[in-house]
Amino acid sequence: KAGVTQTPRYLIKTRGQQVTLSCSPISGHRSVSWYQQTPGQGLQFLFEYFSETQRNKGNFPGRFSGRQFSNSRSEMNVSTLELGDSALYLCASSLGGTHGTDTQYFGPGTRLTVL
Amino acid sequence: TQLLEQSPQFLSIQEGENLTVYCNSSSVFSSLQWYRQEPGEGPVLLVTVVTGGEVKKLKRLTFQFGDARKDSSLHITAAQPGDTGLYLCAGLNYGGSQGNLIFGKGTKLSVKP
Repeated sequence: KAGVTQTPRYLIKTRGQQVTLSCSPISGHRSVSWYQQTPGQGLQFLFEYFSETQRNKGNFPGRFSGRQFSNSRSEMNVSTLELGDSALYLCASSLGGTHGTDTQYFGPGTRLTVL
Repeated sequence: TQLLEQSPQFLSIQEGENLTVYCNSSSVFSSLQWYRQEPGEGPVLLVTVVTGGEVKKLKRLTFQFGDARKDSSLHITAAQPGDTGLYLCAGLNYGGSQGNLIFGKGTKLSVKP
């Protein structure tokens, strides 16, 4: 069974630009969650999508948005990039029980660098 | 804001030594998970503990959930270089503004041969 895949793996952008990251969950998984990981703040929850609807949202500004397609694939978008957005962005898929109760399977992440 | 504090932040030991990593909070959690993350990869779930006082063993790893469900520990016996990685604890608590799963910042373990 293929794992969670994320594209691209690495990305370099400049301040003010926008970026779209993609996540393909494990087949049959309906929930996709996104996290931001930095050395200073650790792993922070961005949002969770289930059946194309945002089900949970963390404490991030509106510049961070996401969506989920009918095949459960998900994208997240960050607009007007800031230097502080440099991070590893991880997506995790699960079967779809209440967020955090099912085992989450993480992808390898997208390393975003903002210059 | 709920917080999970992990200690130590960094640990460098020799192969064969024992170690304990701690995860503490002032909040009560429904359950607590431990993950290991290796460079270039996402975290992988090691164990979930649910009941206060619960102890789970996974080969050389022993996980304990505190009686009050506010803290947890991970003990590794006879550490091996393959144990090297970032160990993360995550507490489950519904309905918070940070989402249901709160992660600690991790303990970076390096086991030298």
